[in-house]
Amino acid sequence: DIVMTQSPDSLAVSLGERATINCKSSQSVLSSSNNKNNLAWYQQIPGQPPKLLISWASTRESGVPDRFSGSGSGTDFTLTISSLQAGDVAVYYCQQYYNIPFSFGPGTKVEIK
Amino acid sequence: EVQLLESGGGLVQPGGSLRLSCAASGFTFKNYAMTWVRLAPGKGLEWVSILTGASDNIHYADSVEGRFTISRDNSKNTLYLQMSSLKTDDTAVYYCAKGGSGSRYSPLDAWGRGTLVTVSS
Repeated sequence: DIVMTQSPDSLAVSLGERATINCKSSQSVLSSSNNKNNLAWYQQIPGQPPKLLISWASTRESGVPDRFSGSGSGTDFTLTISSLQAGDVAVYYCQQYYNIPFSFGPGTKVEIK
Repeated sequence: EVQLLESGGGLVQPGGSLRLSCAASGFTFKNYAMTWVRLAPGKGLEWVSILTGASDNIHYADSVEGRFTISRDNSKNTLYLQMSSLKTDDTAVYYCAKGGSGSRYSPLDAWGRGTLVTVSS
């Protein structure tokens, strides 16, 4: 099974500042068939279901603000919020969908400093 | 608009059973893989099970294998999760989520609001 890790566990960022979350997979999630990374990022605001932000490591979903961006390849990935807004307070999860079981990272809690 | 609505959660004793349902609308249900994911109190998201559109591929997390059964009725646009031999560790909010068309190797692009399952004596 692929194990996903995230760092940090939590971070507090001032409004308007950058937040960076790292995600690492225990093996590569780069698909040789389409040269895409099977890696997604989700946002879960307290009391709400998760929401898909980024798929294929760097493709922003429709309607997601462009302050959210994803990068990385192979085993190392990053979610960046370029200018933190109050509504971005949430837990952020990465997930690999390369090998079943499609495991999630443990989550990173983002708060306002 | 894609909508997923879970139901069937509740309080059950250890060793008991429960069946969750997820009613889907706003997309051609039979064409999409569907997944159950859970969120236990104080923990992170846990992938539980996946079922392809034609029900020809089914997979489970090790933690529920042999106790949970995923199924779907494409005529009713409904996904199910039959849970048996429930343990206190199964206490969680259970979400159904929509996957990709034509492939189970896809992100989860729509989620229901979840249904709470509490396993306690």
